[in-house]
Amino acid sequence: NAGVTQTPKFRVLKTGQSMTLLCAQDMNHEYMYWYRQDPGMGLRLIHYSVGEGTTAKGEVPDGYNVSRLKKQNFLLGLESAAPSQTSVYFCASRATGTGSYEQYFGPGTRLTVT
Amino acid sequence: LAKTTQPISMDSYEGQEVNITCSHNNIATNDYITWYQQFPSQGPRFIIQGYKTKVTNEVASLFIPADRKSSTLSLPRVSLSDTAVYYCLVGDSGNTPLVFGKGTRLSVIA
Repeated sequence: NAGVTQTPKFRVLKTGQSMTLLCAQDMNHEYMYWYRQDPGMGLRLIHYSVGEGTTAKGEVPDGYNVSRLKKQNFLLGLESAAPSQTSVYFCASRATGTGSYEQYFGPGTRLTVT
Repeated sequence: LAKTTQPISMDSYEGQEVNITCSHNNIATNDYITWYQQFPSQGPRFIIQGYKTKVTNEVASLFIPADRKSSTLSLPRVSLSDTAVYYCLVGDSGNTPLVFGKGTRLSVIA
């Protein structure tokens, strides 16, 4: 199993450009999450999904959109990138009904907006 | 969502036992306590979870007093490779996701 994978690993954008980050998991997990982590800070939740076709806002959703068309994929979109969105983005997934709260994290995407 | 409070940083020498305490005064009846470890440039990694009393696995122990208003992660005989940030999270099994705070930065010194 590959676990949670993220594409791309690095990206540089100019202000106003758009892009989509892809998260894929092969563990058949229901829940998926997108976080951002700024230097020296903890993780902040952007959006999350509790199942295919569902999404919900987290702590810092402004400037981002998400979609969960397939259970194994969770897409994070930036429609008009801003320098304040320079960060490392982590995706995670979690199973349900197992009694465990373990989230499995991807390796992260380092995004720089100039 | 139950808020958590942890020390910002801790230092320890190799071979010592390290205890990191997390306060969660408004923990709810259904809430579980979960700890994660994060190395630089990596995503967090699950360490342990518990509801009450004591839980132990191959890497750590989690102590939870009867009132559940705090919890202590215990790392036995730390090594340099345990230098990382440790996060305490509190939440229930519902759809509301857990919140990561700023964590505790543990530095292990030779």
